[in-house]
Amino acid sequence: QVQLVQSGAEVKKPGASVKVSCKASGYTFTTYYLHWVRQAPGQGLEWMGMINPTGGNTTYAQNFQGRVTMTRDTSTNTVYMEVNSLRSEDTAVYYCARGIITLDYWGQGTLVTVSS
Amino acid sequence: DIQMTQSPSSLSASIGDRVTITCRASQGISNSLAWYQQKPGKAPKLLLYAASRLDSGVPSRFSGSGSGTDYTLIISSLQPEDFATYYCQQYYNTPWAFGQGTRVEIK
Repeated sequence: QVQLVQSGAEVKKPGASVKVSCKASGYTFTTYYLHWVRQAPGQGLEWMGMINPTGGNTTYAQNFQGRVTMTRDTSTNTVYMEVNSLRSEDTAVYYCARGIITLDYWGQGTLVTVSS
Repeated sequence: DIQMTQSPSSLSASIGDRVTITCRASQGISNSLAWYQQKPGKAPKLLLYAASRLDSGVPSRFSGSGSGTDYTLIISSLQPEDFATYYCQQYYNTPWAFGQGTRVEIK
């Protein structure tokens, strides 16, 4: 069965970086884009961007351009999402999700807390 | 960028009620619209795509319609497990965008 398993919760100080992983299984890794969506406490869903596992091509939302980097490792079927220069407003649950036109499978979410 | 606006932001309903949630895009999206259900502490779950197509395993009490810029999610007879927050999302072009969500609460 399709599974996306994310890394565990993180606590970071303002200005630091965080790297969240998402390991895919149960399907051919290179046939679906992987997306990242975040949700601040009590707020809605925000699409951050996506990566094509085949060539590593990425598309980022304007809000995250220059501060977020998405990468993949085809040897381990894992995608990574790194956020630099963290600020308190980046406190959120970060989800990876599989999809070409919609997001049909989601990871369990990773809580990133930014606090001094 | 395409903006998605849902209404209402919240509603109260009883078991068995018919519930309607609307979603408006800032420009035409050619039925490139999905609906998701999210329960507290859980990841969203895909309900419908292409505006009206049910994802596998989704009960038939959920339906979707619309065209152009205006879309609707209908729950024909609300069940206890349907109390959740619902989001629309356009995939017509990047950046993909979600509506702000509609919370369905128990009356």
